[in-house]
Amino acid sequence: GNSVTQMEGPVTLSEEAFLTINCTYTATGYPSLFWYVQYPGEGLQLLLKATKADDKGSNKGFEATYRKETTSFHLEKGSVQVSDSAVYFCALSDWSGGKLIFGQGTELSVKP
Amino acid sequence: EADIYQTPRYLVIGTGKKITLECSQTMGHDKMYWYQQDPGMELHLIHYSYGVNSTEKGDLSSESTVSRIRTEHFPLTLESARPSHTSQYLCASSEYGTANTGELFFGEGSRLTVL
Repeated sequence: GNSVTQMEGPVTLSEEAFLTINCTYTATGYPSLFWYVQYPGEGLQLLLKATKADDKGSNKGFEATYRKETTSFHLEKGSVQVSDSAVYFCALSDWSGGKLIFGQGTELSVKP
Repeated sequence: EADIYQTPRYLVIGTGKKITLECSQTMGHDKMYWYQQDPGMELHLIHYSYGVNSTEKGDLSSESTVSRIRTEHFPLTLESARPSHTSQYLCASSEYGTANTGELFFGEGSRLTVL
């Protein structure tokens, strides 16, 4: 079945450091891929998405490229800020069921 | 800004009590979902709905039940709460026509503690 695997956290970085959170997926067909972010005490919100191979999603300085050949959708940011501290979820859309399948989440903590 | 609301945000109750978690959205979305989020952060889909009078069980078995009598309202009920039900419950919605694009709008969550 379809699944998403993320790198384990927590990830702790200093401000202005480079961020990569790895995400790989297993899916039949051509799913859309997403990154959601959950700030402390809040629900999830969409950070970025890509709907087909080689698409790059970007938002708030974050980027991720849909790589079909490596079945990956790694999240990157060139210079993180303390305000980026949150839990990040990679997800794919299950077209057959119209549902999102989430990875296990990666907690990011950015220190000043 | 997403217009999806959950109440209560926090609830502490004793074992055996009946509870209802409310979820309402003002976006006219057909699809609604309930996720259970465990302390390890992982999200588990427990219920979803494609529209009025439609409800389906999710991937994780749950003793809770849901109803969808109105498009905007998707309450979740536990008839007899137990400590194992302690968790955060997240409600979400999406437009049916664009469901394949996968953008879900989430409420802020209801954190339930059963003593």
